[in-house]
Amino acid sequence: QSALTQPASVSGSPGQSITISCTGTSSDVGSYNLVSWYQQHPGEAPKLLIYEGSKRPSGVSTRFSGSKSGNTASLTISGLQAEDEADYYCCSFAGSSSYVFGTGTKVTVL
Amino acid sequence: EVQVVETGGGLVQPGGSLRLSCEASGFTFSTFWMHWVRQAPGKGLVWLSRISGGGSTTSYADSVRGRFTISRDNAKNTVYLQMNSLGVEDTALYYCATEGRGAPIDSWGQGTLVTVSS
Repeated sequence: QSALTQPASVSGSPGQSITISCTGTSSDVGSYNLVSWYQQHPGEAPKLLIYEGSKRPSGVSTRFSGSKSGNTASLTISGLQAEDEADYYCCSFAGSSSYVFGTGTKVTVL
Repeated sequence: EVQVVETGGGLVQPGGSLRLSCEASGFTFSTFWMHWVRQAPGKGLVWLSRISGGGSTTSYADSVRGRFTISRDNAKNTVYLQMNSLGVEDTALYYCATEGRGAPIDSWGQGTLVTVSS
């Protein structure tokens, strides 16, 4: 149950698009279309952004989108805004009824 | 509105035990999986355990299997995490979260802080 690998930090200017990768293995990300993405602002609980790889819950901005290719899932934030500055985590089902989170990515809006 | 509230955190000595509680409301509690996730200070999220709606199925991360036990009381809309043989590495903010909106982990509480120190 090793953590999924995410870049430690990603930055972009307002209005730009950024992509956060989440690399796992054929035992987790690669085997299931069950990757979720969460946003966490400092001092707050995580918030669900994406589930089942690319589905957005109601209330989540369409600027957030998810995808997957092989053992790597990705979260794209379009039209970057100051309020998007936060930590982002991916999470995948890992078989045997277990889950694994990514290492987390700090997004900075320049 | 879904609400999740964790309680039971505190200071415990190494080797000690603690039981966390998580009371949920705003949904049909007995039909949803519940999870525990922790976050050490300044670190990332770590999945710990989950329990099925009826309580018959549980699973654990390798790091806590054999030391932590998840359970639930559907009459009280509450899930528990019994933590034994605690070490300093277990110091973290412990979150309870519920399945929902199609996602395995949807709504989160604000967490309860567990500090393991002598």
